[in-house]
Amino acid sequence: DAKTTQPPSMDCAEGRAANLPCNHSTISGNEYVYWYRQIHSQGPQYIIHGLKNNETNEMASLIITEDRKSSTLILPHATLRDTAVYYCIVRAANSGYALNFGKGTSLLVTP
Amino acid sequence: EAQVTQNPRYLITVTGKKLTVTCSQNMNHEYMSWYRQDPGLGLRQIYYSMNVEVTDKGDVPEGYKVSRKEKRNFPLILESPSPNQTSLYFCASSLGPGRGSQHFGDGTRLSIL
Repeated sequence: DAKTTQPPSMDCAEGRAANLPCNHSTISGNEYVYWYRQIHSQGPQYIIHGLKNNETNEMASLIITEDRKSSTLILPHATLRDTAVYYCIVRAANSGYALNFGKGTSLLVTP
Repeated sequence: EAQVTQNPRYLITVTGKKLTVTCSQNMNHEYMSWYRQDPGLGLRQIYYSMNVEVTDKGDVPEGYKVSRKEKRNFPLILESPSPNQTSLYFCASSLGPGRGSQHFGDGTRLSIL
């Protein structure tokens, strides 16, 4: 699975959009970009995933650059409950078995 | 409600006393796995199971056993727990190893004294 690079921490004001970047310059053509988050000591929670096109669901939007070497997770209206560690994971659809969570980005949403 | 249920949520025990952490999912998922999470080391996979009666080692299997006699259950067994197995444990399930998202349980915090 391709390696990802994320900033260790970010802040965001409540109600504003949180934009979390992820670099994955070695991504292969068959690898998806997945985002999970972990609220303090709870089980990781799936957010969204995509291959090439931008994706949106009820939780977030995922913007993938045309060359697929980076992506951005967007939480459109961050709330205090979005404070968590966010993990960007790149993996092929049928490869490997363990999710490589890495260190993620610790997002702090402030009032 | 779709969920992965782990029990117990918290356990303090002593070295050498066998323990089992249960994991059950109600989504008819084929793939299940166990992770442990330690400060500075992130989440590491212990064992995984592709389907009933099919299990395999993950990255850190030493000191652990698993079984998959039924599709919904995937217990983690510590035959002779040691202090270095003090950790936060998560069970996860999905349709397949790379199919869709993985659903995680709420975690089990084990302390081995």
